[in-house]
Amino acid sequence: GAVVSQHPSRVICKSGTSVKIECRSLDFQATTMFWYRQFPKQSLMLMATSNEGSKATYEQGVEKDKFLINHASLTLSTLTVTSAHPEDSSFYICSARSPGTGIYEQYFGPGTRLTVT
Amino acid sequence: GNSVTQMEGPVTLSEEAFLTINCTYTATGYPSLFWYVQYPGEGLQLLLKATKADDKGSNKGFEATYRKETTSFHLEKGSVQVSDSAVYFCALSSGGTSYGKLTFGQGTILTVHP
Repeated sequence: GAVVSQHPSRVICKSGTSVKIECRSLDFQATTMFWYRQFPKQSLMLMATSNEGSKATYEQGVEKDKFLINHASLTLSTLTVTSAHPEDSSFYICSARSPGTGIYEQYFGPGTRLTVT
Repeated sequence: GNSVTQMEGPVTLSEEAFLTINCTYTATGYPSLFWYVQYPGEGLQLLLKATKADDKGSNKGFEATYRKETTSFHLEKGSVQVSDSAVYFCALSSGGTSYGKLTFGQGTILTVHP
């Protein structure tokens, strides 16, 4: 149980285009989902926290107009990278928290590798 | 703010060797501490946790003790297996505005050879 999927696993896009990444909780309802960004050989950096049915809360320094997050249902959150540039190339990871588990229990997706050319 | 520092990798060991991955932290208040593991092609999984000083988290032969006096949470295993090859992340979560949010170390790549 507690499986989180991400789609796509890899995506290559051209500079200036937008890319949508999906995060799904497959066997539980996720009231809260988190989006992280991971640079090579570096830690996961929390970008934003999204709660179902409300606006996402972004961490300091993360551009909310560039990284659009939508958590429209209890099993799906999406991250859209708008007007992507090469510096947005990174590994994006989502996690989900179920209301039935502890406050610190997060279930992670396998990640999405974004390459902007 | 909160921060986590892990020993630099990669770490390469032979099967049945002893493993230690060091982790130290800086946090406000009394954080909870975690080790996550990421196997190739998979998402991060919670390996073990400790929520207060002197607690010992353990799972799958791995152990880590919450040491408040040294602000450390080192991961140990007495005899590693090839299947333990993965990336290991130390993390913390504290209260206040960071409640429920995780701060990660940079990760340590472990490779175990037969």
